[in-house]
Amino acid sequence: AAGVIQSPRHLIKEKRETATLKCYPIPRHDTVYWYQQGPGQDPQFLISFYEKMQSDKGSIPDRFSAQQFSDYHSELNMSSLELGDSALYFCASSPTGTGYYEQYFGPGTRLTVT
Amino acid sequence: SQQGEEDPQALSIQEGENATMNCSYKTSINNLQWYRQNSGRGLVHLILIRSNEREKHSGRLRVTLDTSKKSSSLLITASRAADTASYFCAAATQGGSEKLVFGKGTKLTVNP
Repeated sequence: AAGVIQSPRHLIKEKRETATLKCYPIPRHDTVYWYQQGPGQDPQFLISFYEKMQSDKGSIPDRFSAQQFSDYHSELNMSSLELGDSALYFCASSPTGTGYYEQYFGPGTRLTVT
Repeated sequence: SQQGEEDPQALSIQEGENATMNCSYKTSINNLQWYRQNSGRGLVHLILIRSNEREKHSGRLRVTLDTSKKSSSLLITASRAADTASYFCAAATQGGSEKLVFGKGTKLTVNP
């Protein structure tokens, strides 16, 4: 079965640089979520999209932005990177955003800021 | 974490024993999901229990949900060394996007 695809899997950036993370949801899933997991931490919700519109926003820094495109893939753009942005970034997808649906997670992108 | 706590934070058992992990949450939920994560890798979905359900089984997994106490438990029976991982509960909040709010996780070690 198709899974959520994230790219790149690993990314090393320097402080103040920018990074773009990509997420390709499971086919026919119209809701995408982004989560950030710091070292030894639980995942924290960043932002979500339903049918290409932002549906919810969590503790996402103003330096970050995201969007969902017409093919339902999503990109998380991160600017002016800081050391504290080093984390695992997960994308998850689910079908129609209301009701009782599992969220399926991608393998994550490990971002290291040096 | 916005959500609550998981108990215990770490659990070490012998193969064949049962492992029970508990989770508390703070908000009203549509459902509660349990995930497994191996050492900094991806989150694997284990089981979902709806807010109107009290118990659910899947293979060696048994999940209970008590919405009056805002708590859930995950029981893994007849544990195996391959079950060694961190286990997270995640509550899908009511309203809005049903974002998941995660507990802090239980690190389970199953010794062969």
